Amino acid sequence: AQTVTQSQPEMSVQEAETVTLSCTYDTSESDYYLFWYKQPPSRQMILVIRQEAYKQQNATENRFSVNFQKAAKSFSLKISDSQLGDAAMYFCAYRSESYGGSQGNLIFGKGTKLSVKP
Amino acid sequence: EAQVTQNPRYLITVTGKKLTVTCSQNMNHEYMSWYRQDPGLGLRQIYYSMNVEVTDKGDVPEGYKVSRKEKRNFPLILESPSPNQTSLYFCASSSRSGGYLYDGYTFGSGTRLTVV
Repeated sequence: AQTVTQSQPEMSVQEAETVTLSCTYDTSESDYYLFWYKQPPSRQMILVIRQEAYKQQNATENRFSVNFQKAAKSFSLKISDSQLGDAAMYFCAYRSESYGGSQGNLIFGKGTKLSVKP
Repeated sequence: EAQVTQNPRYLITVTGKKLTVTCSQNMNHEYMSWYRQDPGLGLRQIYYSMNVEVTDKGDVPEGYKVSRKEKRNFPLILESPSPNQTSLYFCASSSRSGGYLYDGYTFGSGTRLTVV
């Protein structure tokens, strides 16, 4: 079974600085998707960025980028020019590319709480 | 607007009193799922459904029931709630593309349930 591990329960960053959140996963599959979700105090789950495992190029969305290391099974999220509105819980998630049985399910890490200091 | 609608947003109930949390999506998604979120545990899947009349257990199904009679609706039923079911609940849906689930999920706004 696949697992997702976020080893940093809490992180802190100064406004305008850069922070990297770590995520590792375990799978025997070769095709899958990885995601980062943001959960602000409003508790809404917001998709931040998505990475397809077959793509070597790291995904980027404005100030958010990932460092995807497939061989190492690592998927870190970098937030550049941190803003107060980035303060939230961040979840890393894995999803198999296959569809059938439980393979379409999103598997989440336990989350990293990010604080942004003004 | 494409969305997943959960109701209610907040619910306080007593042990043993049956309750239903509703979930509806307007995106014609085949796949729907329920999660519970607890501090330090992340989101854990309760049940999921790949299409109408097709449901299956997730990682923590005990004490919950679901049904999928229509494509848009996926209610979560607690027949006899207990205090250990106090949690934040999320409904989510997803589409298929060419037989694969391309996207992540679209989440509802969550239901904060307290069982006393």
